[in-house]
Amino acid sequence: DADVTQTPRNRITKTGKRIMLECSQTKGHDRMYWYRQDPGLGLQLIYYSFDVKDINKGEISDGYSVSRQAQAKFSLSLESAIPNQTALYFCATSGGEGETQYFGPGTRLLVL
Amino acid sequence: GQNIDQPTEMTATEGAIVQINCTYQTSGFNGLFWYQQHAGEAPTFLSYNVLDGLEEKGRFSSFLSRSKGYSYLLLKELQMKDSASYLCAVTSNDYKLSFGAGTTVTVRA
Repeated sequence: DADVTQTPRNRITKTGKRIMLECSQTKGHDRMYWYRQDPGLGLQLIYYSFDVKDINKGEISDGYSVSRQAQAKFSLSLESAIPNQTALYFCATSGGEGETQYFGPGTRLLVL
Repeated sequence: GQNIDQPTEMTATEGAIVQINCTYQTSGFNGLFWYQQHAGEAPTFLSYNVLDGLEEKGRFSSFLSRSKGYSYLLLKELQMKDSASYLCAVTSNDYKLSFGAGTTVTVRA
């Protein structure tokens, strides 16, 4: 079983809709992250959480919100989706040497 | 903040060696990572350097010079499955990662 899972894996939605992307992990890590990736660009940090009571904005948090329901679960919401939020979204956890990050399989989101 | 530069693309022949360079400027440095990412898939961890020098892991090696803000990833005995994007990432004192845009390596037969 994968250590970091994301649901859904693919999603098509319309402009203005609210959607939630979910992430679960079995690695026992306290730290979790949400990134988006666009073609030709590096991974950009949206939000991160160092424990259940800690939520922090990343580089590109506008238009997004998160919820850390438990140590193992970290959800990303798009309150009102817009086409330029079309991207590949990754969840990650970190732990061990240097706080190495381990990524989920990604969610491919298309906003029409 | 972080400024991370790496070449956009590299091409090499199966069985050859390729070196991917990464330079960075950072306000606080706590280590450098290399990740491999196949198209449409998740990045997977390759290496972590926090001290100067070379770390070797099988066919892959990673080098760091903190004074020069420089790292490289060396891929030896290239195989077709090594065709992927290679991401250089720098971590600061708060352990957040900042990623370069990635280097796409194409291995030709």
